[in-house]
Amino acid sequence: DAGITQSPRHKVTETGTPVTLRCHQTENHRYMYWYRQDPGHGLRLIHYSYGVKDTDKGEVSDGYSVSRSKTEDFLLTLESATSSQTSVYFCAISEGGPGELFFGEGSRLTVL
Amino acid sequence: SQELEQSPQSLIVQEGKNLTINCTSSKTLYGLYWYKQKYGEGLIFLMMLQKGGEEKSHEKITAKLDEKKQQSSLHITASQPSHAGIYLCGADDGDSSYKLIFGSGTRLLVRP
Repeated sequence: DAGITQSPRHKVTETGTPVTLRCHQTENHRYMYWYRQDPGHGLRLIHYSYGVKDTDKGEVSDGYSVSRSKTEDFLLTLESATSSQTSVYFCAISEGGPGELFFGEGSRLTVL
Repeated sequence: SQELEQSPQSLIVQEGKNLTINCTSSKTLYGLYWYKQKYGEGLIFLMMLQKGGEEKSHEKITAKLDEKKQQSSLHITASQPSHAGIYLCGADDGDSSYKLIFGSGTRLLVRP
């Protein structure tokens, strides 16, 4: 199994609070992705990174920011969480760009 | 941007029956990827298709990409309860070589 860990795995928070999800990999893969999964929408790309300090927006980036200060960590931050951001968040990594992605186990976030 | 549409959205079959899931793209596919997600877990890569007319098999699962490279099908022969889960197709976003977008998924339940 690819060495990819998400934390926390579960979080309940209140509207307006900041939240940071962490994705940690031990594979030294260049590409890292954050997706959210919601019923009826499948997986939607939030942000992705193609190298240290190199990030770009995905389909649903509003309300989210990311940082990648080192190869192994990709952080997703919700500056002020809203109920619409209640979702399951998945981190994924790949060595050569899109295609065969390795996914983490997911982080379930509930915003009350 | 590219969109992927999957059908059916959900499927219930009796163990031993064959089934087909379809993935249709709004643009020409440069790479089509099939993933499986067990309920409550992350996604697992199944197969990649890149050439028009290409067909690949893994155990009892066969995936095809049509000649025009705008539609792919996933066929399961003699389904088993272990095949249950959510199947998602993914494709390179034509606007960027870094992004992988996904269809909304097909939920499969196999009744023993």
